[in-house]
Amino acid sequence: AQSVTQLDSQVPVFEEAPVELRCNYSSSVSVYLFWYVQYPNQGLQLLLKYLSGSTLVKGINGFEAEFNKSQTSFHLRKPSVHISDTAEYFCAVSRSGGSYIPTFGRGTSLIVHP
Amino acid sequence: DAGVIQSPRHEVTEMGQEVTLRCKPISGHDYLFWYRQTMMRGLELLIYFNNNVPIDDSGMPEDRFSAKMPNASFSTLKIQPSEPRDSAVYFCASSEGLQSSYEQYFGPGTRLTVT
Repeated sequence: AQSVTQLDSQVPVFEEAPVELRCNYSSSVSVYLFWYVQYPNQGLQLLLKYLSGSTLVKGINGFEAEFNKSQTSFHLRKPSVHISDTAEYFCAVSRSGGSYIPTFGRGTSLIVHP
Repeated sequence: DAGVIQSPRHEVTEMGQEVTLRCKPISGHDYLFWYRQTMMRGLELLIYFNNNVPIDDSGMPEDRFSAKMPNASFSTLKIQPSEPRDSAVYFCASSEGLQSSYEQYFGPGTRLTVT
């Protein structure tokens, strides 16, 4: 079985500053990795996903994430955040190559201050 | 496509009452999932369907919870009788397949409050 740990429950940051949201996973097999975003009063939507190939994955709204197999991490980054990025961010992991339901982390609340 | 549609968006009910949550998945998606989100437990998978058939309901907390999918465009999650600890946001999601590379598309959720 796989598991996901999001190390920070809340990350406050000022507008236009860079941000990193941390995600570590545990799995004995190959995985696919996802980041979802949940804006207030909305459902989750996919930001980006890593399936294979380049370890640097670019997503929507200027976000990117880097898969690091040796550190079992998939941290999310953005070089300059906007107020509108305030949301809950979820990391998810799924066992690759089959029909598996993803396991979601507990979420990180990104709060962007003006 | 309008995305995954859920109704109602908010539900307030008294303990002991029956609650029915509704979901319309994205057309053409073969899989439908019901999740519950709380501060204490995060996002929990309750049950999922494939082609209208329940595949795994091991996440359903107890017999008070039941889910149906009478056709490809409609699913319900029912709680009878409801209890205050059922208060949560319930999400419906759908996907076009169950390959682990596929993303899930979530509805806006139903915020349930049981008093």
